[in-house]
This record gives sequence, C-alpha cells and structure tokens, in this order.
Amino acid sequence: GAVVSQHPSRVICKSGTSVKIECRSLDFQATTMFWYRQFPKKSLMLMATSNEGSKATYEQGVEKDKFLINHASLTLSTLTVTSAHPEDSSFYICSAGGGGSGIQETQYFGPGTRLLVL
Amino acid sequence: AQSVTQLGSHVSVSEGALVLLRCNYSSSVPPYLFWYVQYPNQGLQLLLKYTTGATLVKGINGFEAEFKKSETSFHLTKPSAHMSDAAEYFCAVRIGGSQGNLIFGKGTKLSVKP
Repeated sequence: GAVVSQHPSRVICKSGTSVKIECRSLDFQATTMFWYRQFPKKSLMLMATSNEGSKATYEQGVEKDKFLINHASLTLSTLTVTSAHPEDSSFYICSAGGGGSGIQETQYFGPGTRLLVL
Repeated sequence: AQSVTQLGSHVSVSEGALVLLRCNYSSSVPPYLFWYVQYPNQGLQLLLKYTTGATLVKGINGFEAEFKKSETSFHLTKPSAHMSDAAEYFCAVRIGGSQGNLIFGKGTKLSVKP
C-alpha cells in the first residue's frame, strides 16, 4: 500500500518557539493532504485540508495564523505550529489522498508526530 | 451534522473469540464508511471501506463489516480474535462533497486475552 511518512516523530520544545512537522507521500503523489489532531482518549479532529499549490482550508475553530500549512509539492505538506504553548501539546497526524478519485479516494495516514510544549 | 458513534471505548475478548466493534453514524445522505486500525505508536491503517454495492465488506486480517442502512450501522466483526488484533479501532464516515472529509468516531480499544 501507499506510504506516508512524518518527521519528526516526536518533538519537545519550549513555549513560544515554532515547530515544523513534515508529511511526505513516499510512493505516490497527493494533491490533497489532511492534518488531524488527536487528543488522549479522543478521536481524530480534522484541522485543515491542504491542497497542492493553493491555500489550505481550515476547519472551524482552528487558528490559521497559529497552524501554518504549506503544500508546496505533490509529495510534501508541512504544518508549522507558531509560538507554541503547552495547550498545543498533542499528537498530530497527517494523511494523504491516494488512489481513486473524489469520494472513493482512500486516505493513507502517517505515523503521527507527538508534540510536547514545555 | 454528521457524526459517528462507537459504542464502548474498550472491548476485551479472549483469543479465539468473536470480535464485535460497534459503529453507528448519522447522515442525511448515503455515506461512505471506513474502519481504520491504529497499532501503538503507528499511524492509522485502512481495514476496509464501504462505498457502494455489496453491503458486506471484507477487509484485511480477517475483518469484515456490514453496512445496514435501516440501522445506520457499520459494525466490525472478526470470527476469531488473535493476540495481534489488539489495537485501537476507528470508524469513520465520509460525506459527499468536493473535499469529502473524514469524520471519525472516538475509537475503541480492543484487548485480546490469552
């Protein structure tokens, strides 16, 4: 199956710093990538949809200036958490669309990035 | 608004026993339904999906799920549990539209006892 990687897998940073998380589709091109946030014992919450070459579409309640998304190529999307605070600590997961089209498109998920803000 | 409900945040079965993980959804239009599995420290893997056609869907690792429109359900089953099935399972629904975002349930953690 298709492989999606994320880097780093785990990051610890100080409050006020910015952290960049990369999501790569390794063996397929993804015009659409999704960024999710997963809280402990909670479901995945979609943060934004990233489309190659255009601005990301953010879900209601997600601060676009705080969570910067860039989808510069068909295999790479980045999520930058700017001026991180302890409440931003979470598990961030990306997925990339691959195979099929439209509604039948299957999403392939990355392994996630654990962010801890001190 | 669309939503997904997974009954039981934690299910425990004995090895060799039937696995039944429940998922109900609410949607005003026919949804596309998915089950994902997440092993510890790993990303989500697609187990199976229902789009159209046959309502009984077979997936990987011996899992299957049946779409029942009248019950708005998409329960996941496996006849005989293996120790390796221990993981977190997420049901998700995807509604038609240009983006077709996935809406996830809260997940069910499956434990398998020897």
